[in-house]
Amino acid sequence: DQQVKQNSPSLSVQEGRISILNCDYTNSMFDYFLWYKKYPAEGPTFLISISSIKDKNEDGRFTVFLNKSAKHLSLHIVPSQPGDSAVYFCAASVISNFGNEKLTFGTGTRLTIIP
Amino acid sequence: EAGVTQSPTHLIKTRGQQATLRCSPISGHTSVYWYQQALGLGLQFLLWYDEGEERNRGNFPPRFSGRQFPNYSSELNVNALELEDSALYLCASSLYGQPQHFGDGTRLSIL
Repeated sequence: DQQVKQNSPSLSVQEGRISILNCDYTNSMFDYFLWYKKYPAEGPTFLISISSIKDKNEDGRFTVFLNKSAKHLSLHIVPSQPGDSAVYFCAASVISNFGNEKLTFGTGTRLTIIP
Repeated sequence: EAGVTQSPTHLIKTRGQQATLRCSPISGHTSVYWYQQALGLGLQFLLWYDEGEERNRGNFPPRFSGRQFPNYSSELNVNALELEDSALYLCASSLYGQPQHFGDGTRLSIL
């Protein structure tokens, strides 16, 4: 049962344009959502997160949008740069009394920025 | 600030042996998480330790175990290694309610 889904395995975007990566989830208990970037042979690097009490969070070129009714989140990267080429994972968790429960990851989207 | 560090970077074992993987969290982080990324599969949750206690474990057999030490570092032990245990094992750490930050992993190869 894939609780977090990234339906686009790959995405190519022209440098300078907007990159939009999408993620859907099925578990309504999730209350914390994150995006990670991963280069080969490295661990995932945290990019941005959003709590379920918000619908938008911005950090520099990165903005995450959360639509709870649709169980959908998206990551916008503006403007896209060649260094953004990587695999992007969305992840979701439940925050319990002890902290963040396990992360449930999507399968990833490979973003390629075309110079 | 030093990030999450994992050792060794690579580990080669044979079937039936035991493997020990180590993780040092970011200074001040009390929670440590272990994940497995097998070839062709996504990141799968293995174990969560917080304040020395095991808080949750994923759908893995009991031969996957670990512990967290008083200094919050952690080790993952895999007994009776099988070929399908070949994977990248990632450790992450966090503070309460904060994002998990990952190390670069240990690549475990079973021959």
